[in-house]
Amino acid sequence: NAGVTQTPKFQVLKTGQSMTLQCAQDMNHNSMYWYRQDPGMGLRLIYYSASEGTTDKGEVPNGYNVSRLNKREFSLRLESAAPSQTSVYFCASSDSSGRGGVNEQFFGPGTRLTVL
Amino acid sequence: GDSVTQMEGPVTLSEEAFLTINCTYTATGYPSLFWYVQYPGEGLQLLLKATKADDKGSNKGFEATYRKETTSFHLEKGSVQVSDSAVYFCALRAGGATNKLIFGTGTLLAVQP
Repeated sequence: NAGVTQTPKFQVLKTGQSMTLQCAQDMNHNSMYWYRQDPGMGLRLIYYSASEGTTDKGEVPNGYNVSRLNKREFSLRLESAAPSQTSVYFCASSDSSGRGGVNEQFFGPGTRLTVL
Repeated sequence: GDSVTQMEGPVTLSEEAFLTINCTYTATGYPSLFWYVQYPGEGLQLLLKATKADDKGSNKGFEATYRKETTSFHLEKGSVQVSDSAVYFCALRAGGATNKLIFGTGTLLAVQP
């Protein structure tokens, strides 16, 4: 199993350009998440998808859109990149079977994005 | 709202020293608590967790006890190794079905030989 994969690993954009970050998981998890990691701020949730066909805003959704393409894939789109979106982006997934217990989130390796 | 506060780093220790990284939380209800570790250039991995008061999570020599009376979940290890050098994140999962996590800011641990 590859777990959670993300592409690309690195990206440099100019202000105003658009791009899509891709995320896929092969663990048959229902829930998927996008976080950004900034120095001194930990990880902040951008959007999440509790199950296929649903998406919801997290703590910092402005400037982003998401698509839950199917159960495996959850993409994050920047329509018009800004320097404030320079960050490391992590995708995560978890089971949410509701059978009790606490469901671990599994993280991808991250995408390092620089917006000039 | 819910939040997690953890000690600022970096924490620099010599090999075989004792480690404590403090973590306190604010939450309504009874959250579940986690420690995640991030090795250089990698994503986060779950290190340990505790789901109710007085639970002790443990893994790879690390331990943390869920203290409801002090709203704390401090991470400890009796003897650190160079390979423990990483960023450690404390996190909580509030109630509800979404499984969302709230993270602290992270603490960088550097262990010197």
